[in-house]
Amino acid sequence: QVQLVESGGGLVKPGGSLRLSCAASGFTFSDYYMSWIRQAPGKGLEWVSYISSSGSTIYYADSVKGRFTISRDNAKNSLYLQMNSLRAEDTAVYYCARGKEMATIDAFDIWGQGTMVTVSS
Amino acid sequence: EIVMTQSPATLSVSPGERATLSCRASQSVSSNLAWYQQKPGQAPRLLIYGASTRATGIPARFSGSGSGTEFTLTISSLQSEDFAVYYCQQYNNWPLWTFGQGTKVEIK
Repeated sequence: QVQLVESGGGLVKPGGSLRLSCAASGFTFSDYYMSWIRQAPGKGLEWVSYISSSGSTIYYADSVKGRFTISRDNAKNSLYLQMNSLRAEDTAVYYCARGKEMATIDAFDIWGQGTMVTVSS
Repeated sequence: EIVMTQSPATLSVSPGERATLSCRASQSVSSNLAWYQQKPGQAPRLLIYGASTRATGIPARFSGSGSGTEFTLTISSLQSEDFAVYYCQQYNNWPLWTFGQGTKVEIK
């Protein structure tokens, strides 16, 4: 079935780095744009980053620009988020999500189960 | 950035009753509005896109309406599995997707 599975979360000290992965299955990964979306404990949802289906177009929220890097490997059906210079306010569950439509921007129809990132000394 | 404001923050409803959730955008998002349901410990699930189209597998008791800046999610007859937090999200002003702060639907 169509599925996204995140991994790579954990506890990291402020200023540290972490790399999240998202493994896709059950659909043609290279046809869809993807995003990372996060949710701080007890809070709402915040879009973090976008990557087009080919990987040629990338966007970031201002809150992570210059610190996070999104990438994808279509041959491995995988999405990544390299997080550097982590801050306490980056503590959240990080979800990868698939754009519903291939040709146009739309809602996010498939979400992973999330991976928890905790930034604390 | 388009700010999405949901009301009320919490809605207390008895099973079988109707629930009406509101979402307001700080500027027009046309019909580029989605609703998600999130239960504790779970990822969000897409309910409605295009302001009024149910996603695959979503029961007919869920309906969405509105356009421009005012949107409504209606659950016609609440079932026990519907008690959750609901988020609206605009995708008109991409890539700066923004979400509302959520409405918690709780058992009265």
